[in-house]
This record gives sequence, structure tokens and C-alpha cells, in this order.
Amino acid sequence: GIQVEQSPPDLILQEGANSTLRCNFSDSVNNLQWFHQNPWGQLINLFYIPSGTKQNGRLSATTVATERYSLLYISSSQTTDSGVYFCAVRDYGQNFVFGPGTRLSVLP
Amino acid sequence: DSGVTQTPKHLITATGQRVTLRCSPRSGDLSVYWYQQSLDQGLQFLIQYYNGEERAKGNILERFSAQQFPDLHSELNLSSLELGDSALYFCASSPRLGNEQFFGPGTRLTVL
Repeated sequence: GIQVEQSPPDLILQEGANSTLRCNFSDSVNNLQWFHQNPWGQLINLFYIPSGTKQNGRLSATTVATERYSLLYISSSQTTDSGVYFCAVRDYGQNFVFGPGTRLSVLP
Repeated sequence: DSGVTQTPKHLITATGQRVTLRCSPRSGDLSVYWYQQSLDQGLQFLIQYYNGEERAKGNILERFSAQQFPDLHSELNLSSLELGDSALYFCASSPRLGNEQFFGPGTRLTVL
């Protein structure tokens, strides 16, 4: 089945710093989403982005489907950005796969 | 609040028992998905229903089963529970197949 990798596995930032999280996938996908899992376990939708670029406030994402990767940019990070960031894909065989996540800690 | 509801929030039970987790999708959504999140295996897709019919199957054990009812709510049944079944179980819904999924708050299952 499709493989999903995320990097880096862990990231520690000072408040106000910028960061880029990466998601690589091994096959063509027709669905890609980014989620933030907060410290209380809630999974929050960030972007539905099978291709192209989207922005929402301090966050933006780009997916280059032909090269099988997606990037999540976080600018001017805040302590509330802490948590785990997952990318999840669905391939054309209807398989849903989550990446292992990037654990982000933003220090005050 | 995503609009997806799950009950109960917490469940503590013993090995060998059977439990039922319930999910109500967002209003108008036809697809329901179930996921298991454990410390050692991460987030794993279990099964998807679309308008009452099973549409996709992931790493769901034979001891687990699910269904989606005519009112579109779904139940996940876990039987012969083992310690390793302790996990956070999420339900998600989407308007159609392959669309953006919205997750419920999860049910935390502890098997003692």
C-alpha cells in the first residue's frame, strides 16, 4: 500500500519562529489533508489540499502531486500551535493512510 | 467543533468484554469513517461506510465490526477485547466519497 513519511519527527521552536513541515507519499493520491492534534487529543482540520496552494492566516500549505509531496508552513508560531501535525492521504485504491506525524513544541 | 459527535467519551472495560462505540456524522454527510489511534501503531484506518453500505476496509480485526444505520449514524462494535485494543477511536464524516473528512472528539477505550 501507499507509504506516507513526515519530517521532521520532532521540532522545537521559540515563539515567533517560522517552520516548514514536509509530507512525502509513495503513490498518486486523490485526497490529502493536514491535521493538527492538540494536547487534548482533538484532530483539527487545517487544509484539504490534494493539489495547489492554500493559505489560512498564519498557516499555508502546498501540494505538488506530480512530485508526491506536500508542505505545511507555520509562520510566527504561537504556543497554541504545539501538538502533532499529521498529513493523511487517500490513494486511488480507496486506502486511507496517515503519516507518523511531526511533534511540534513552541516555547514561550 | 466539527459537528461530528461520538459517545461515550471514555470507556473502561475488562478483557473479553464487548463494547459499542457510537458516531453521529455532520448534518448532510453520507460517509462515515472509523480510525484507531494507539501509541505503537499511530492512526490507522479501520472502515468506511457510505449511505449505509461498506465502501472501504482497512486494518480492521475480525473481532471488530461496524454498521451505518438509515439515519446515517454509525456504530463500531469491539468484541473479545484484549489489552492491546486500548486506544483512542475516532469517527470522521465527509459529504461524499473521497472528500474532506471531519473528525469527532474520539472515544478513549481502556481495557483492563
